[in-house]
Amino acid sequence: EPEVTQTPSHQVTQMGQEVILRCVPISNHLYFYWYRQILGQKVEFLVSFYNNEISEKSEIFDDQFSVERPDGSNFTLKIRSTKLEDSAMYFCASRDGTNTGELFFGEGSRLTVL
Amino acid sequence: AQKITQTQPGMFVQEKEAVTLDCTYDTSDQSYGLFWYKQPSSGEMIFLIYQGSYDEQNATEGRYSLNFQKARKSANLVISASQLGDSAMYFCAMRKGRGSQGNLIFGKGTKLSVKP
Repeated sequence: EPEVTQTPSHQVTQMGQEVILRCVPISNHLYFYWYRQILGQKVEFLVSFYNNEISEKSEIFDDQFSVERPDGSNFTLKIRSTKLEDSAMYFCASRDGTNTGELFFGEGSRLTVL
Repeated sequence: AQKITQTQPGMFVQEKEAVTLDCTYDTSDQSYGLFWYKQPSSGEMIFLIYQGSYDEQNATEGRYSLNFQKARKSANLVISASQLGDSAMYFCAMRKGRGSQGNLIFGKGTKLSVKP
């Protein structure tokens, strides 16, 4: 069964360092998303991406964040200068073009900022 | 603004019994979708069931059913014949209406514990 894959599964970084989280969405999907979940809290939307551009972003997604789809398969989230409060699980998700298509989530990348 | 409310932070159920997890939502959109996801302790998000705002029948997927009451803006998840493997966090989510790219808004979740 096709799945969304994310790497790394866990990354530890120093405050102020740049981090890139990688995702390979399901191949025929058209919409791509990043969500984050701070430990013990709800899942929060960061950004959606469609047709090679950001289609929507939340107020969490400030200038420190960027997304890119550098080739036909990868979808990356970059955090330019990490802060302690960026420590969270980051989920990539994708869905097809149907109106009712559910989001398929990857297993998440846990980011720990020290 | 859209909002999802899950009022049960934690629930216990005896194995093989049914359990209902509550979800209410708030939206001014006429077209929207409601989802339930399961998050086991390993952390991944697993899609369980979907209900569209215009669907007349309640959605069912195996042991999962969604009790959709549109007038009351509730979308409760019913799990029948609970199994130990059902112990997990359960999140209710809503997709905003037309014009959105399918972004989901999540509730705070309910932690379900199934007792043997």
